[in-house]
Amino acid sequence: LAKTTQPISMDSYEGQEVNITCSHNNIATNDYITWYQQFPSQGPRFIIQGYKTKVTNEVASLFIPADRKSSTLSLPRVSLSDTAVYYCLVGDIYNAGNNRKLIWGLGTSLAVNP
Amino acid sequence: EPEVTQTPSHQVTQMGQEVILRCVPISNHLYFYWYRQILGQKVEFLVSFYNNEISEKSEIFDDQFSVERPDGSNFTLKIRSTKLEDSAMYFCASSTQGQGSYEQYFGPGTRLTVT
Repeated sequence: LAKTTQPISMDSYEGQEVNITCSHNNIATNDYITWYQQFPSQGPRFIIQGYKTKVTNEVASLFIPADRKSSTLSLPRVSLSDTAVYYCLVGDIYNAGNNRKLIWGLGTSLAVNP
Repeated sequence: EPEVTQTPSHQVTQMGQEVILRCVPISNHLYFYWYRQILGQKVEFLVSFYNNEISEKSEIFDDQFSVERPDGSNFTLKIRSTKLEDSAMYFCASSTQGQGSYEQYFGPGTRLTVT
């Protein structure tokens, strides 16, 4: 799986849009980009996944430029409950066979302040 | 919404003892995983399981570890002789059949404390 680099921490305020960028310079042609969220003492939770351009769901948007060497998770109008660690993961979802192991970095610790 | 459950939520054991961590994956899922997270560190892959056999295991998953799906619903992780460094949160995860996603559903975790 391609190595990813994210900021260690970010601070924001309630109501603001937060953009977390992940760098994955060695992304392979078949790799997809996946983001997870983890609250303290809880299991990670899938947020969004994409291959190129833009993906949006009810929680977040994922922006992927044409060269795919980075991606940006966008959280609209964050609240205090969005305080969590956000992980970017990259992998080939079609050729991984029966194995879908996730390789985690340290993630980005987002603190949302009142 | 279906969810992955894990028991116990917290297990305290003495060094050298055997522990079994239990998980009930989501009922129609066919891929199962164990991960662990030492306090303040990143999540680490331990093992993946499909069709009643291990698909892949990490270097952490040595001979002291084993997994089993004893019936149609449970998925267990056994540590035969615990060490102090096994203290961590252990997460079970499951996902649906087929290709096309890294969307895994994680349980709430079991906090293992080895004294």
